[in-house]
Amino acid sequence: GAGVSQTPSNKVTEKGKYVELRCDPISGHTALYWYRQSLGQGPEFLIYFQGTGAADDSGLPNDRFFAVRPEGSVSTLKIQRTERGDSAVYLCASSSQRGPQETQYFGPGTRLLVL
Amino acid sequence: AQRVTQPEKLLSVFKGAPVELKCNYSYSGSPELFWYVQYSRQRLQLLLRHISRESIKGFTADLNKGETSFHLKKPFAQEEDSAMYYCAPLPTDSWGKLQFGAGTQVVVTP
Repeated sequence: GAGVSQTPSNKVTEKGKYVELRCDPISGHTALYWYRQSLGQGPEFLIYFQGTGAADDSGLPNDRFFAVRPEGSVSTLKIQRTERGDSAVYLCASSSQRGPQETQYFGPGTRLLVL
Repeated sequence: AQRVTQPEKLLSVFKGAPVELKCNYSYSGSPELFWYVQYSRQRLQLLLRHISRESIKGFTADLNKGETSFHLKKPFAQEEDSAMYYCAPLPTDSWGKLQFGAGTQVVVTP
């Protein structure tokens, strides 16, 4: 079956602009995660959705970052007034259960470059 | 503060030689522990988890609670093991919130 997909694969924008990054999870997966991976670092947790609601958004760096999942499937990560420091690969993952047996399935990522 | 450390950024080994990737963590309580792997031009994927006590692709990981370490080992490295490996503790009070180390790049040369 289809895995997690993310669009666009690459996004170049100018400082101060608004961007949206999309994630299509595996069908039926209720949990959805966003991570950010800066160069030379491991992925860093941003936000977690269970169904439609954001269960944990403690990783969002500031109020310029916002994410939604209105129908419990596709999710959009929104970044306002982008800054050069936002440049990174944004990863999405989904899973069907939580706990120690959980497997998170990752998408290919969106590479964001803010000029 | 919760912290996970992978001290080696790069490990270069010859085919057939043993390989060990170190992971040390500092967490309150007893987190669950995972290793994720990213092969060239592929997605990040789960390699193995501690709770399953499994061996995947010849890799095993030993949890040492006293030293708070979860090192990944393989006795005979293969060229296809060349990849980026991430140790990822999972706090049991926040399921799903994986916290990845910085990663170790493994290069296996023939």
